Amino acid sequence: DQQVKQNSPSLSVQEGRISILNCDYTNSMFDYFLWYKKYPAEGPTFLISISSIKDKNEDGRFTVFLNKSAKHLSLHIVPSQPGDSAVYFCAATFTSGTYKYIFGTGTRLKVLA
Amino acid sequence: DAGVIQSPRHEVTEMGQEVTLRCKPISGHDYLFWYRQTMMRGLELLIYFNNNVPIDDSGMPEDRFSAKMPNASFSTLKIQPSEPRDSAVYFCASSLGRDYAGNEQFFGPGTRLTVL
Repeated sequence: DQQVKQNSPSLSVQEGRISILNCDYTNSMFDYFLWYKKYPAEGPTFLISISSIKDKNEDGRFTVFLNKSAKHLSLHIVPSQPGDSAVYFCAATFTSGTYKYIFGTGTRLKVLA
Repeated sequence: DAGVIQSPRHEVTEMGQEVTLRCKPISGHDYLFWYRQTMMRGLELLIYFNNNVPIDDSGMPEDRFSAKMPNASFSTLKIQPSEPRDSAVYFCASSLGRDYAGNEQFFGPGTRLTVL
């Protein structure tokens, strides 16, 4: 049972345009969400996070939006750069109880120069 | 800081053999996680430790998998006997506490395991 889903395995975007990566979750008890970026032959690295008490968090070119009623979050990258080409994983967790991240299957982003 | 260190980076073995993956977390981190990455299931948490004690091993797929953390600077994940379906990339990660104001998990480079 996949509690965190990334339904788009891949996405291609032109350099300078907006990239939008989507993530859906099923467990309404999740109260903290994260995005990780992964380059080939490297481990994932933390990108940005959001608490369930917010609906938006921004860090430079990266913005995460959370829609709790739809159990949906998205990552916006504006403007997209070739160096953003990577696999992006969303993750959900709980701020109390067991400390475990539930990751999605990832979306491979390719930014075309 | 050297980050999370994993060894070996690549492992090729034959079905039925024992495989041991190793991890050195970032010094001072008190949480250690083992993940497995596959195309179908993405990143799955196998087990995590807090202060060297296993806290949640509900993700360990079966008894063939075991993990230990004998001290704060070393952990192993062992598969015995290995099977072709265990082929995946295995990641180790560590974090400092669980204060969500920035204590994210830091991942190692992973071990790519191939079981023939």
